[in-house]
Amino acid sequence: DVQLVESGGGLVQPGGSLRLSCAASGFTFSSYELNWVRQAPGKGLEWVSYISDSSTTILYADSVKGRFTVSRDNAENSLYLQMNSLRAEDTAVYYCARGGRPGGLLDYWGQGTLVTVSS
Amino acid sequence: EIVMTQSPATLSVSPGERVTLSCRASQSVRSHLLWYQQKPGQAPRLLMYGADIRATGIPARFSGSGSGTEFTLTISSLQSEDLALYYCQHYTHWPITFGRGTRLEIK
Repeated sequence: DVQLVESGGGLVQPGGSLRLSCAASGFTFSSYELNWVRQAPGKGLEWVSYISDSSTTILYADSVKGRFTVSRDNAENSLYLQMNSLRAEDTAVYYCARGGRPGGLLDYWGQGTLVTVSS
Repeated sequence: EIVMTQSPATLSVSPGERVTLSCRASQSVRSHLLWYQQKPGQAPRLLMYGADIRATGIPARFSGSGSGTEFTLTISSLQSEDLALYYCQHYTHWPITFGRGTRLEIK
């Protein structure tokens, strides 16, 4: 079975940094594109970032461009999101989601990790 | 970016009822439209892709239709386990965007 397990969330002060991880299993990780999607408390879904299977194409939402960095390690079946200069409006549950064909077709999602930005 | 608009925001329904949810795109997304179901405390679950193709394991009471800018998700006979939030999302190009969701609640 496809499994995606996020970790690394927590409470951080405004301006701080956090690194999220997503451990994948049950599929050939290196063959799939991946995304990060977030959901603020009680709100809808917002796409955050995309990374292609070989990391050659990386995309960000305008709201996080210049502050967040996505990466992956195909040898470790892991996806990462480095979040810097965090703001209160970044508070959300962050999900990693596998991209089908094409990469924006999000077919499997992890359970999410909560990031709270507050002083 | 493409704006996805879902209606209604909330729908009060009874078990056994036929339910229709709507999703409109601000410009054509062809058939590149997904529907997700999300229950409290859970991740979204893919229901439909390509506007009208059921994802693996999705019951036949769920169906999707539409192309271009107008889409619908239909539940032919609502079951209690279908009470949830439903989101549509396009995947025509980046950025992918989601609707704000329709909540199904008990009448």
